[in-house]
Amino acid sequence: LAKTTQPISMDSYEGQEVNITCSHNNIATNDYITWYQQFPSQGPRFIIQGYKTKVTNEVASLFIPADRKSSTLSLPRVSLSDTAVYYCLVRGTSYGKLTFGQGTILTVHP
Amino acid sequence: ETGVTQTPRHLVMGMTNKKSLKCEQHLGHNAMYWYKQSAKKPLELMFVYSLEERVENNSVPSRFSPECPNSSHLFLHLHTLQPEDSALYLCASSQDPSGAGEKLFFGSGTQLSVL
Repeated sequence: LAKTTQPISMDSYEGQEVNITCSHNNIATNDYITWYQQFPSQGPRFIIQGYKTKVTNEVASLFIPADRKSSTLSLPRVSLSDTAVYYCLVRGTSYGKLTFGQGTILTVHP
Repeated sequence: ETGVTQTPRHLVMGMTNKKSLKCEQHLGHNAMYWYKQSAKKPLELMFVYSLEERVENNSVPSRFSPECPNSSHLFLHLHTLQPEDSALYLCASSQDPSGAGEKLFFGSGTQLSVL
């Protein structure tokens, strides 16, 4: 299971773009990269997933360089409601475990 | 609404009580999970069930006993808990625990307080 490293916390202001980078140096060939968002006292919620290059959906973009040893979650024009913990997971076809790391606490200020 | 429902949302119990947490998923998934999240800590995987068979047990104390009677329901039976077991207990489901790029769908959790 690939180990991931993220910044512990980040601060931003409303309307700004936020980029959270995750390092996963030992990512395997068949591993996917998935990001989750968690609000206090709630379960994590799937945001976006990718394998390589760029993926975009209605809430975020995910940038993955060619070597796939890192990935960047991009949140456009954040609002106060984007204040949450963001987790990066890397996993392939290993049976069972889906282990979350420390995550990044994003605080959006007015 | 994620399609995963947990009850109760809050639970207070004494150390000698026996209680159960319930999880139900309406997504047609084959795998279900229990996670524990203590205050300001990352999620800890407790148990994984695939097609009602337990496939992962992360050295969880025996005072936590899971049960998966079918692919849609998951229980966590609690007995003689300790105050340090107070945490948010989260249930999740996924289509196939061995599938690449597996996506987890979480319930809202049960906030447990052990007095």
